[in-house]
Amino acid sequence: NAGVTQTPKFQVLKTGQSMTLQCAQDMNHNSMYWYRQDPGMGLRLIYYSASEGTTDKGEVPNGYNVSRLNKREFSLRLESAAPSQTSVYFCASSETLAGGANTGELFFGEGSRLTVL
Amino acid sequence: KNEVEQSPQNLTAQEGEFITINCSYSVGISALHWLQQHPGGGIVSLFMLSSGKKKHGRLIATINIQEKHSSLHITASHPRDSAVYICAVPGNQFYFGTGTSLTVIP
Repeated sequence: NAGVTQTPKFQVLKTGQSMTLQCAQDMNHNSMYWYRQDPGMGLRLIYYSASEGTTDKGEVPNGYNVSRLNKREFSLRLESAAPSQTSVYFCASSETLAGGANTGELFFGEGSRLTVL
Repeated sequence: KNEVEQSPQNLTAQEGEFITINCSYSVGISALHWLQQHPGGGIVSLFMLSSGKKKHGRLIATINIQEKHSSLHITASHPRDSAVYICAVPGNQFYFGTGTSLTVIP
């Protein structure tokens, strides 16, 4: 059982480069999320998608774009990376009822450690 | 404004001690989640509970919906329990506490 798979696990970028973090889940969940985790800051929501075809900004969306390609996949793109985007990124998914209330367990990918020089 | 508050932020215990981590929240919820993250590792779900108490091995989670409070207890703590423990409550998205960093010393 794969659960939530995200790639790459590690990436080093130079300032101004672009990259896409990929995430896929095989649990048929409606909701998917991208978080960043920084020391002392906890998990902060970048973007989320409550269903295929919809995306919404979270707490820290600036500098990022997302795409919910289909029900399984939710990608995060950095168009022009900045050192402030050095972080560990987690993708997650959960089940939701119609209307958006989360009812199920929250599953995380293993994380992607990004360093921007 | 923090919807979820955890305490303590850091905790050091001797092996074998009984440990309690607390979580208070301000939003109405259907369930509360406890998560575990080992150093440098991924995040895994320990419990999802909406009332009463749940137990997995040496871990026990309780919740009081009226008081908007949950506790995570670890009995007979072991160095492998050293991790960050995070509580989370769902809405249209999830709200997370900042985590409790636990170190269990042999």
